[in-house]
Amino acid sequence: NAGVTQTPKFRILKIGQSMTLQCTQDMNHNYMYWYRQDPGMGLKLIYYSVGAGITDKGEVPNGYNVSRSTTEDFPLRLELAAPSQTSVYFCASSYSMRTLYSNQPQHFGDGTRLSIL
Amino acid sequence: GESVGLHLPTLSVQEGDNSIINCAYSNSASDYFIWYKQESGKGPQFIIDIRSNMDKRQGQRVTVLLNKTVKHLSLQIAATQPGDSAVYFCAEKGGGAQKLVFGQGTRLTINP
Repeated sequence: NAGVTQTPKFRILKIGQSMTLQCTQDMNHNYMYWYRQDPGMGLKLIYYSVGAGITDKGEVPNGYNVSRSTTEDFPLRLELAAPSQTSVYFCASSYSMRTLYSNQPQHFGDGTRLSIL
Repeated sequence: GESVGLHLPTLSVQEGDNSIINCAYSNSASDYFIWYKQESGKGPQFIIDIRSNMDKRQGQRVTVLLNKTVKHLSLQIAATQPGDSAVYFCAEKGGGAQKLVFGQGTRLTINP
């Protein structure tokens, strides 16, 4: 199994450009997440999805959009790139049976390193 | 609000010694905690987790301790090896949909 796959691995954008960060998982996980990680910091949740067709905002959603049309894919869209969005972006997935004690760890991809100049 | 932090940003240990990485959390309602290891250029890798109804859990060379009284979490790595060099993050489950709140991370370096 490939696990969580993110593309591209690196990208440089100009201010105002748009792009989509791709994320796909082959573990049949129902939950998927997008995080950003700034230098020397922990991860901050941007958006998450509990299943196909359902998305919700995390801690830092401004400037981003997501969609979840299939179980496997969860792309992240930047519409108008800004320097503040320079970061490393991580996609993750997990499986939940939605019961009280169904905690399962999230599995991460290797990230997309994005620079906005 | 919820927050997860670490006592030390860096930790250096001798190869073969035991390492202890600490983490403080503020949300007494958190019910699930995870330790991740992140190597340079890679995504976080799951190490071990613990539920709030436990105070200790052991894995291969790793042990996680949870003290709910003082809201403290620790990761113990036995017989530290060069491959253990990485940044270690603790995270707590702070809400529905298994949303995790991550700490800043501790960089562990191994001295030969």
